[in-house]
Amino acid sequence: DVKVTQSSRYLVKRTGEKVFLECVQDMDHENMFWYRQDPGLGLRLIYFSYDVKMKEKGDIPEGYSVSREKKERFSLILESASTNQTSMYLCASSSHSRDRGHEQYFGPGTRLTVT
Amino acid sequence: KNEVEQSPQNLTAQEGEFITINCSYSVGISALHWLQQHPGGGIVSLFMLSSGKKKHGRLIATINIQEKHSSLHITASHPRDSAVYICAATGNQFYFGTGTSLTVIP
Repeated sequence: DVKVTQSSRYLVKRTGEKVFLECVQDMDHENMFWYRQDPGLGLRLIYFSYDVKMKEKGDIPEGYSVSREKKERFSLILESASTNQTSMYLCASSSHSRDRGHEQYFGPGTRLTVT
Repeated sequence: KNEVEQSPQNLTAQEGEFITINCSYSVGISALHWLQQHPGGGIVSLFMLSSGKKKHGRLIATINIQEKHSSLHITASHPRDSAVYICAATGNQFYFGTGTSLTVIP
C-alpha cells in the first residue's frame, strides 16, 4: 500500500512565524503535491513537484514556498504565517513524471491554525 | 473558473436510502475520480473511471463521456457512509469539485 505521511495532524502557530509542513511518501513516486482545502472552495493546488529540486506553481502559490531535496520528501514552507493561511493542508503523491493527471494518493492532512 | 461542478453540496439521508451525487465537468479528461474524505481529513480514492460503470460493494460510479457527467450512487446507505465525496477530473492536471457533504442518519 502507498503510504503518504505528514509531520503533524494539528498545528497552531502565531502570525509572522515561519512554518514547515513535511510530507513523506514511500512508493518512489516522482510527483508530489501540496493542496489547501477550505470550506466551499474545495482542494486548491499550491505547488507541485515532478522531480527532486523541481517545482511548479499551482493555483495559489502566494505566501508559500516548497523544497524537494529528496525524492520521498516534499516540504511546504510558510515564510511568515498569516491568519488567512489557517486551513487544512493536504499532501499527495503520484507516479509518472510531469503527468499531473495520474491517480494521486493523499496524506492524512495537517490542520493549521494561525492566531 | 469551475471546471468541475458537484451537486448537491450537502445531503442528509435516512439509513437505507439510495443516494446519488452528481458531477459535471467542462474540460477534456483522461479519467474521472471519486474520492472520499471522512471527518479528520484523510482522502481515499474510491473509483477512477474513464468510461462506463464501476461497482465496489454498495458503491457504483458511472460516467457519460458525451455528456461530461458522472454519478456516484450509494445503495442501502449506512451512517458510516457519512463523509465528504469529491469528484476530480484529470486531464493534464487535477480539477477538483468542491465536494458533497453526506450525512446518513440512523
